[in-house]
Amino acid sequence: NAGVTQTPKFQVLKTGQSMTLQCAQDMNHEYMSWYRQDPGMGLRLIHYSVGAGITDQGEVPNGYNVSRSTTEDFPLRLLSAAPSQTSVYFCASSASRGGEAFFGQGTRLTVV
Amino acid sequence: AQSVTQLGSHVSVSEGALVLLRCNYSSSVPPYLFWYVQYPNQGLQLLLKYTTGATLVKGINGFEAEFKKSETSFHLTKPSAHMSDAAEYFCAVSDLGQGAQKLVFGQGTRLTINP
Repeated sequence: NAGVTQTPKFQVLKTGQSMTLQCAQDMNHEYMSWYRQDPGMGLRLIHYSVGAGITDQGEVPNGYNVSRSTTEDFPLRLLSAAPSQTSVYFCASSASRGGEAFFGQGTRLTVV
Repeated sequence: AQSVTQLGSHVSVSEGALVLLRCNYSSSVPPYLFWYVQYPNQGLQLLLKYTTGATLVKGINGFEAEFKKSETSFHLTKPSAHMSDAAEYFCAVSDLGQGAQKLVFGQGTRLTINP
């Protein structure tokens, strides 16, 4: 059982480039989220979804887009990468409100 | 707005000693509370959670935490540290309306175990 799978694991982008971080889960979870992790700041919520076709902004949404066309997939798009977006990105899913959030292994992104 | 404060970005204990990681939260409504552990280059794994009911919560790997509403605290403890406990620990809160998909995390505490 794969759980939450993120690709790629590592990525280097040049300033201004765009890319999509992929996230897929095979647990049929309704709830999915994207977080970024920066040293000394814990994890901060970027965007989240409570089901297919429904997304909303978290604490730090600027510069990122999401969509949720299927229950399984929740891609995160960087529109025009900036050095401030250098971070480790985590995707998470959960079956219910208050339930355990399952995290992927993370994507380490460097913007130069 | 909800917030979480973890006291001490680094904690170091000897193997076999008590582990105490502190977490205080602010929330305008009764919260769900979580502790997650992150091993190097890995994602986060749930240690334990409090939603309702008993205020002393037991988790995996011998960890437990107590929800104290009057102190707005949810400190994590383990009676006897093991070398394998070395990791980063995150306290998180979510209000009842949002559930686990909208977590607010503390800044993390890195736990080092000395032989």
